[in-house]
Amino acid sequence: DTAVSQTPKYLVTQMGNDKSIKCEQNLGHDTMYWYKQDSKKFLKIMFSYNNKELIINETVPNRFSPKSPDKAHLNLHINSLELGDSAVYFCASSQVGTGQGTYEQYFGPGTRLTVT
Amino acid sequence: AQKVTQAQTEISVVEKEDVTLDCVYETRDTTYYLFWYKQPPSGELVFLIRRNSFDEQNEISGRYSWNFQKSTSSFNFTITASQVVDSAVYFCALSDGGATNKLIFGTGTLLAVQP
Repeated sequence: DTAVSQTPKYLVTQMGNDKSIKCEQNLGHDTMYWYKQDSKKFLKIMFSYNNKELIINETVPNRFSPKSPDKAHLNLHINSLELGDSAVYFCASSQVGTGQGTYEQYFGPGTRLTVT
Repeated sequence: AQKVTQAQTEISVVEKEDVTLDCVYETRDTTYYLFWYKQPPSGELVFLIRRNSFDEQNEISGRYSWNFQKSTSSFNFTITASQVVDSAVYFCALSDGGATNKLIFGTGTLLAVQP
């Protein structure tokens, strides 16, 4: 059983288009995340949702809009795609400890977005 | 501000050699969490270990071991008797364990194990 799944795995599109990436987790976790990995492999947090509530929004252009219809899903919509948006986008999920620490995040397989 | 430094960009070893991947972190928090993730050529990110700041015991899991030293703010990862399947990019990461739980990643170390 796939724990964290993302679709699509590859996405090739032209500048100016709008696209979405879907993420689902079946681990029963409370919190989901989006990370961006650039061409140099650097990983950076973009967003985090806890029980459908936005927790983190890390200086991401407002062309990026996450949506969490329920705590098992966190989708990423990107408007007006730019060349610089080309990257691998990872979804992740974790439990969040309530005053007892933090838990590891489990990552999806990634979506490689190429903007031409 | 929190920061993770992995000074080794690339390491190449021959199979069966031992190899240590370095990780140095910076944080002002007294409670924090350290992680290692593996990213094989297939691209997925695989969780390896989590450590909290109150537990400095070293950990061993098969050929993998981790050395956490608060005095030097380091959380190093050693692979004993490396194998070709260990070839991957390894990331060290830090979290403050607060409400956000966000991971601050190092830049990764590419490990190439030659047969």
